[in-house]
Amino acid sequence: EVQLVQSGAEVKKPGESLKISCKGSGYTFATYWIGWVRQMPGKGLEWMGIINPGDSDTRYSPSFQGQVIISADKSTSTAYLQWSSLKASDTAMYYCARDHAFHIWGQGTMVIVSS
Amino acid sequence: EVVLTQSPGTLSLSPGERATLSCRASQTVNSNYLAWYQQKPGQAPRLLIYGASNRATGIPDRFSGSGSGTDFTLTISRLEPEDFAVYYCQQYGNSPQTFGQGTKVEIK
Repeated sequence: EVQLVQSGAEVKKPGESLKISCKGSGYTFATYWIGWVRQMPGKGLEWMGIINPGDSDTRYSPSFQGQVIISADKSTSTAYLQWSSLKASDTAMYYCARDHAFHIWGQGTMVIVSS
Repeated sequence: EVVLTQSPGTLSLSPGERATLSCRASQTVNSNYLAWYQQKPGQAPRLLIYGASNRATGIPDRFSGSGSGTDFTLTISRLEPEDFAVYYCQQYGNSPQTFGQGTKVEIK
């Protein structure tokens, strides 16, 4: 079965760093792009960026460029989304999804940033 | 970047009725790379349509997509109780990819 499994919920303080993960299984991980999508509480979907795990080619939305880093390790079939200094406004559900039209989605990782 | 505008914001319909959702792009979506997603509360989105008109695996044929260029439509021919949800369009033909703001289909 093709699936993406994301890491668990996180509660962090402003200024802390964080790296969440998305592990693919059931397919050749390096073959499909992995994207990240933010959904703030009660709001819509926002496309953050996408990475090709095969060669680490990465594209960002201008809204998220410089705010997060997307990476991938094809040896472990895992993609990552990381922050160096979290803000309260980063509180959201974060989804990873496969390919450009997102056929497969992870279950989401809830990130809460609060002092 | 391509701005996608969905209309209406909310659609109030009864089971069995036809739903027509619109997604308009601020510029041409390359190769008609336009997708539609359904999201229910507490769940991840689910892909319904890709390439403007291709149903994703396992999607019932009451869902259909049409359109090209800048104007796209998702039609649900006869609403089932499980279809009441929020629907998003996404374009993936231009960089950066973008989502519309969503249309909520609610029970009248």
